[in-house]
Amino acid sequence: DTGVSQNPRHKITKRGQNVTFRCDPISEHNRLYWYRQTLGQGPEFLTYFQNEAQLEKSRLLSDRFSAERPKGSFSTLEIQRTEQGDSAMYLCASSAYRGEQYFGPGTRLTVT
Amino acid sequence: QQQVKQSPQSLIVQKGGISIINCAYENTAFDYFPWYQQFPGKGPALLIAIRPDVSEKKEGRFTISFNKSAKQFSLHIMDSQPGDSATYFCAAKNAGNMLTFGGGTRLMVKP
Repeated sequence: DTGVSQNPRHKITKRGQNVTFRCDPISEHNRLYWYRQTLGQGPEFLTYFQNEAQLEKSRLLSDRFSAERPKGSFSTLEIQRTEQGDSAMYLCASSAYRGEQYFGPGTRLTVT
Repeated sequence: QQQVKQSPQSLIVQKGGISIINCAYENTAFDYFPWYQQFPGKGPALLIAIRPDVSEKKEGRFTISFNKSAKQFSLHIMDSQPGDSATYFCAAKNAGNMLTFGGGTRLMVKP
């Protein structure tokens, strides 16, 4: 399978804990995006990378959130001191430069 | 403004019927308008997309109609099938390749 992959698929954590998600994009894609989707809503843009450079961040990305793409391949999204409001599906997508975005299956986060 | 408004929120169609979902946007800087299909527990899957210099695009049973002056676009699903039952999202892309999504339409096709 050469699509976008995300791990873990599900994560349950207690409020105040840190969590990290991983995204592996389609191999030839140089752009990688993170979105957040809450139940019954459309995905909301968080941030994106072109190669290893983080080019844009949404105001939704508070200082508790950090994303990296150290070698321009996979990316990680870390949430520190999780809150119940962070419960959502975190989606990763990748594209070629200005190409169509292809989404992974998402990581569903539940903060108890 | 970055908002994309989508309607209806839910839609029930008989098998073989036509499903129509509408979207409206305000930002004239948007330059690409994709539609995504999402099944429960899955990520959105690209269905069909259109650029603003085209008024209609058809791929199989799926057609996008685009009205640039009205800043509206719609998805038509012809001969709707139970397997089409899913949530559909319209989206609009800006020059930075960031997608802004509509709120989604939950489609149910009854056999």
